[in-house]
Amino acid sequence: NAGVTQTPKFQVLKTGQSMTLQCAQDMNHNSMYWYRQDPGMGLRLIYYSASEGTTDKGEVPNGYNVSRLNKREFSLRLESAAPSQTSVYFCASSEVLVLATGLYGYTFGSGTRLTVV
Amino acid sequence: EDQVTQSPEALRLQEGESSSLNCSYTVSGLRGLFWYRQDPGKGPEFLFTLYSAGEEKEKERLKATLTKKESFLHITAPKPEDSATYLCAVQDTGYSTLTFGKGTMLLVSP
Repeated sequence: NAGVTQTPKFQVLKTGQSMTLQCAQDMNHNSMYWYRQDPGMGLRLIYYSASEGTTDKGEVPNGYNVSRLNKREFSLRLESAAPSQTSVYFCASSEVLVLATGLYGYTFGSGTRLTVV
Repeated sequence: EDQVTQSPEALRLQEGESSSLNCSYTVSGLRGLFWYRQDPGKGPEFLFTLYSAGEEKEKERLKATLTKKESFLHITAPKPEDSATYLCAVQDTGYSTLTFGKGTMLLVSP
């Protein structure tokens, strides 16, 4: 049981280049998320997908696009990378832990470390 | 807007020296409060979920408690392997997303 798998683990881009970060989960979770983590800033939500076929903006969506390809996969695309997008990107998926209250439980991937020069 | 504040930002302890980490939060309605452990170069690893004031949960040397405004992560007789960053997050009612604090970096020296 792999959980949440992110690829690549490391990437260096030049300013203006594009790339797609891949995320796949094998836990049959409905909801998936992309966070970025920067020193002194904590984890901030970029985009999320509550279910297959839906996506919503989080706290810091500018400069990013997402695709929920199917129930397993949720990709994050940088169309024109900027140095401000240098960060560690985490994908997560979630399931409802307590149906009566809507409490969710999250599983995180190991991250993609992106440097934009 | 949900807010989560963790203190201290960093904490250095000697092995066996017990202490507590604080997480204060502001939400319109709390569905759940989460504690995660994060090791360098890895993703957050789930520790506890608390969702009602007065609730307590324990795992080995860690105990998490919850009040209406804050949560504490108590570390009893820590060992060097407890060194990590501890993250607190809240889930607001009506949402599936989490709002995170900035974390507390814990270093336990032998």
